[in-house]
Amino acid sequence: DQQVKQNSPSLSVQEGRISILNCDYTNSMFDYFLWYKKYPAEGPTFLISISSIKDKNEDGRFTVFLNKSAKHLSLHIVPSQPGDSAVYFCAASGSSGTYKYIFGTGTRLKVLA
Amino acid sequence: EAQVTQNPRYLITVTGKKLTVTCSQNMNHEYMSWYRQDPGLGLRQIYYSMNVEVTDKGDVPEGYKVSRKEKRNFPLILESPSPNQTSLYFCASRGLETQYFGPGTRLLVL
Repeated sequence: DQQVKQNSPSLSVQEGRISILNCDYTNSMFDYFLWYKKYPAEGPTFLISISSIKDKNEDGRFTVFLNKSAKHLSLHIVPSQPGDSAVYFCAASGSSGTYKYIFGTGTRLKVLA
Repeated sequence: EAQVTQNPRYLITVTGKKLTVTCSQNMNHEYMSWYRQDPGLGLRQIYYSMNVEVTDKGDVPEGYKVSRKEKRNFPLILESPSPNQTSLYFCASRGLETQYFGPGTRLLVL
């Protein structure tokens, strides 16, 4: 039972355009969400997070949107750069006291120069 | 520099030969965990530890053991590896805001 789903295994975007990566979850108890980026031969690195009390969080070129009613979050990258080419994982965590992260299956983003 | 280290980075072994993958963090984090990454399945948690001497099963614990005798170290033990444990393994250490991952250990069991 996949509680966190990334339905697009891959995405290609032209340099300078917007990249939108999507993530859906099924457990309404999740209240903290994160995005990680992973390059080949490296461990995932934290990118951005959002708490369920917010619907948007921005950090430079990266913005995460959360739609609690739809149980959906998305990561926007504007403008996309070739160095953004990587696998992106979304993750969800339950209420405080629950330390476990549930990860999605990942979306491979390729930014074309 | 905040760091999670794993060793070895690459390992080829044969079925049934016990192995240990070490993990160490320098951030004084209480919570540590092990994940495996497989194509189409994302990152799945194997075991986690809330503190020294406190460990518990994650989603895919079969065939694995862990120990947490010191806060900084969290080794993953495969007592009798099988080919279905061929995978990419990540150790992680969690702070207040996020989780830090090690560089990964690619394991091939023949």
